[in-house]
Amino acid sequence: KQEVTQIPAALSVPEGENLVLNCSFTDSAIYNLQWFRQDPGKGLTSLLLIQSSQREQTSGRLNASLDKSSGRSTLYIAASQPGDSATYLCAVKGSGGGADGLTFGKGTHLIIQP
Amino acid sequence: NAGVTQTPKFQVLKTGQSMTLQCAQDMNHEYMSWYRQDPGMGLRLIHYSVGAGITDQGEVPNGYNVSRSTTEDFPLRLLSAAPSQTSVYFCASSYSGILNTEAFFGQGTRLTVV
Repeated sequence: KQEVTQIPAALSVPEGENLVLNCSFTDSAIYNLQWFRQDPGKGLTSLLLIQSSQREQTSGRLNASLDKSSGRSTLYIAASQPGDSATYLCAVKGSGGGADGLTFGKGTHLIIQP
Repeated sequence: NAGVTQTPKFQVLKTGQSMTLQCAQDMNHEYMSWYRQDPGMGLRLIHYSVGAGITDQGEVPNGYNVSRSTTEDFPLRLLSAAPSQTSVYFCASSYSGILNTEAFFGQGTRLTVV
C-alpha cells in the first residue's frame, strides 16, 4: 500500500526566506505527483502537477521536483510571503492498474512571519 | 468558472439520520471521487467513479453510497449517520482516473454528527 510522508509537519519562517517542503512515497510506481495548498476551512487548490516522466515543474515562485526512483519530491518556495501561509499537501497517483484516487500526505503547516 | 461545486458547506446531523452531499462539476470530467479529511489522518478516498453509471469503492467506503447518473453529478449518501462520520468531505474531478491529469477539488462540506 502506498504511503506518503511529508516533512516537516509544521514550519515557521520569517518573510523573505526561501524554503523547501519535502514529500516521500513508498511505491515508485506512480503516474503523477501533485502539490496542493489548503487554507484554513477551505478546499484544496492545485499548485503543481508533475508527471512521472518529468523531473520538475515551475509556477511563479514555486518549483517542484520529482525523483521517482528514490520516492521523493520537494516543493521549493522562493522569497516567501505572509500570503504563502497555508497547509501544503502532497499527493501521488499510483499506476497499480486501477482508476482509484490519490494518496495524500498529512501536509506541512506553513507560517510565514511578517 | 464554477469548477467543482459542493453543497451544503456545513451540516449537522443527528445519529441515524440520512442525508446526501451534493457534488457537481462543469468541466466535463469523466473521473469524480469523494474524500474525507480527518485530523491526523490526511485525506482518504471513499468512493470514485470513472464515468456515468460506473462507481467503485475506495479506502473507506463503509456507511456511504454513491451513484453516477450523469457526467456532471456525483452525490454521496449517508444512509444512517454515525458520530464517526463527523469529518470534512471533499469532492474531486479530473479528465481521467488513470492518465496524467490534474485533480480539481471542491470547497468541502463540514459535517458534524451528534
